[in-house]
Amino acid sequence: DTGVSQDPRHKITKRGQNVTFRCDPISEHNRLYWYRQTLGQGPEFLTYFQNEAQLEKSRLLSDRFSAERPKGSFSTLEIQRTEQGDSAMYLCASSLELVGADRAELFFGSGTQLSVL
Amino acid sequence: DAKTTQPNSMESNEEEPVHLPCNHSTISGTDYIHWYRQLPSQGPEYVIHGLTSNVNNRMASLAIAEDRKSSTLILHRATLRDAAVYYCILNRLGSGGGADGLTFGKGTHLIIQP
Repeated sequence: DTGVSQDPRHKITKRGQNVTFRCDPISEHNRLYWYRQTLGQGPEFLTYFQNEAQLEKSRLLSDRFSAERPKGSFSTLEIQRTEQGDSAMYLCASSLELVGADRAELFFGSGTQLSVL
Repeated sequence: DAKTTQPNSMESNEEEPVHLPCNHSTISGTDYIHWYRQLPSQGPEYVIHGLTSNVNNRMASLAIAEDRKSSTLILHRATLRDAAVYYCILNRLGSGGGADGLTFGKGTHLIIQP
């Protein structure tokens, strides 16, 4: 399978615990995005990387949220001191952005469903 | 940001064409119109995109109004596997999202009756 993979698929945690999710993008893709989706809503953009550089992080929901993409390949999203309101689906997407190209479609993973008890 | 308006839900019969409307009256000249869909328990997947001219691919057709203030996604022969939430999204210059990401609304929940 050469699509975007996310791990774990499901995570149940207790309030106050830290959680980390992993995303492996399509191998040649230079951009990686994180989204959050709550029930009945469309995905909400959180942050994105161009290779290893995090170019936008102001949309992260709070300073408890952080993301890394240390070698420009896989990425991790960490939520510290989880709260019940963090319960959601966390989606990762990747794309190949080329200078001068007219578009780059996003390829999404199946997401990590987080439940905070 | 230019916004889109879609019906909350639509219902259609299997093997019939489906026309999913999207209004985007504040679209700018550099905004591409993208459609993604999300099947149950999956991430969104790209369906089609266009700028001014109508577009066809193996999944669907996109009809864009002459003034670009509305568009219609056409599924020519719906199957049960097409039951999903369909999102109409505007994004400038066709980029995958960049600094603003792709802004998803609530989309249209398409129900296919056998």
